[in-house]
Amino acid sequence: QVQLVQSGAEVKKPASSMKVSCKATGGTFSSYSVSWVRQAPGQGLEWMGNIIPFLGVANYAQRFQGRVTITADKSTSTAYMELSSLTSEDTAVYYCARHGPQCTSTTCHDYWGQGTLVTVSS
Amino acid sequence: QSVLTQPPSVSGAPGQRVTISCTGSNSNIGAGYDVHWYQQLPGTAPKLLIYDNINRPSGVPDRFSGSKSDTSASLAITGLQAEDEADYYCQSYDSSLSDVIFGGGTKVTVL
Repeated sequence: QVQLVQSGAEVKKPASSMKVSCKATGGTFSSYSVSWVRQAPGQGLEWMGNIIPFLGVANYAQRFQGRVTITADKSTSTAYMELSSLTSEDTAVYYCARHGPQCTSTTCHDYWGQGTLVTVSS
Repeated sequence: QSVLTQPPSVSGAPGQRVTISCTGSNSNIGAGYDVHWYQQLPGTAPKLLIYDNINRPSGVPDRFSGSKSDTSASLAITGLQAEDEADYYCQSYDSSLSDVIFGGGTKVTVL
């Protein structure tokens, strides 16, 4: 059974950076892309980008280009998402999610991490 | 403002049928990109409910069904149950943005 276990909650200062980890167990980590999706309090889901671990190639949502970096460490089956220049609007729960191999033309997400709450506050 | 438009809320009595629409455009659903649906119970991570427009992952009750036509998609819940009270999100891909996109979400309330 695939599990994605994320790092714990964080409090960050405005203008600083955050880095969240997502460790995969129970599956073949490198073969499937991993996305990062965030959810601000009381708001909807927002895709930030993804990475294909065995290629090390990342794709980023337009609105986060230049501010987000997604990496993966195949040796530890862990994906990372780093977001810089934080503002209060980045306060959200950040999820990692695995691309479901059953989905043909469009990425879907079949396994999700438990979420990491990041609060940006001075 | 989400690229995919969903009604903010729908409601129904136990046992009734409710539908949630997901309206896109010719750069996403209308371009042939598949639609997926997620259920998010309060305080939990989203769960894949429908993939590739109409398919249910193992373990998802057949009370949930999906459809797609032209530039929109729909999720139907028949025989509504109290445990179905949750937020539901559609998701696809947009070729103009080159991004994975989500709808704004729909809160289902069981009366």
